[in-house]
Amino acid sequence: AQKITQTQPGMFVQEKEAVTLDCTYDTSDQSYGLFWYKQPSSGEMIFLIYQGSYDEQNATEGRYSLNFQKARKSANLVISASQLGDSAMYFCAMRDLHSGNQFYFGTGTSLTVIP
Amino acid sequence: GAVVSQHPSWVICKSGTSVKIECRSLDFQATTMFWYRQFPKQSLMLMATSNEGSKATYEQGVEKDKFLINHASLTLSTLTVTSAHPEDSSFYICSSKGTEARWETQYFGPGTRLLVL
Repeated sequence: AQKITQTQPGMFVQEKEAVTLDCTYDTSDQSYGLFWYKQPSSGEMIFLIYQGSYDEQNATEGRYSLNFQKARKSANLVISASQLGDSAMYFCAMRDLHSGNQFYFGTGTSLTVIP
Repeated sequence: GAVVSQHPSWVICKSGTSVKIECRSLDFQATTMFWYRQFPKQSLMLMATSNEGSKATYEQGVEKDKFLINHASLTLSTLTVTSAHPEDSSFYICSSKGTEARWETQYFGPGTRLLVL
């Protein structure tokens, strides 16, 4: 079974609008961490935001927020006030007790910001 | 966050040659580094976990004799693609565990694009 599922291969958003990138996960562990990374065309993986399974509040980092719904096992990334520089691939990832050091990565969502 | 560098960023080589890729953690000591491979428009695939002072742990299906990993110091891990062939052409990216206690975020290097002719 897929550990991380990103169902949106591609998304478009108008500049200055908000966009939500979906991510669902599968784990039987109670303790786990969820991550979002941005990969622009240059290839570098840029860490954006983290959410721990025991964190009661949704994580926020500047224009990025993570909509964490534990019962639904979803960890959607919300980007507010989109900028042209936000155009990139976005990967959701998880680490749980069973994965050890390893991250499970989703297949990614390609976001294009339209001017 | 932590800073990880990779060198070279681009390499083109002839089939049969070996290529060494370096991954350095610049501002912290990394006991564990990870090597990933990414094909175009695909996700990252973990190849191996590099542990300082001990043998690397390879994922299933990854040939350890083909992809040699050395983690000789707390700031440097190297991946050597031995006798490279065109099918080894890919984007190789390393990462290091961060030092925060928050589930040890992984910080990635900028990646190395390998093209084997």
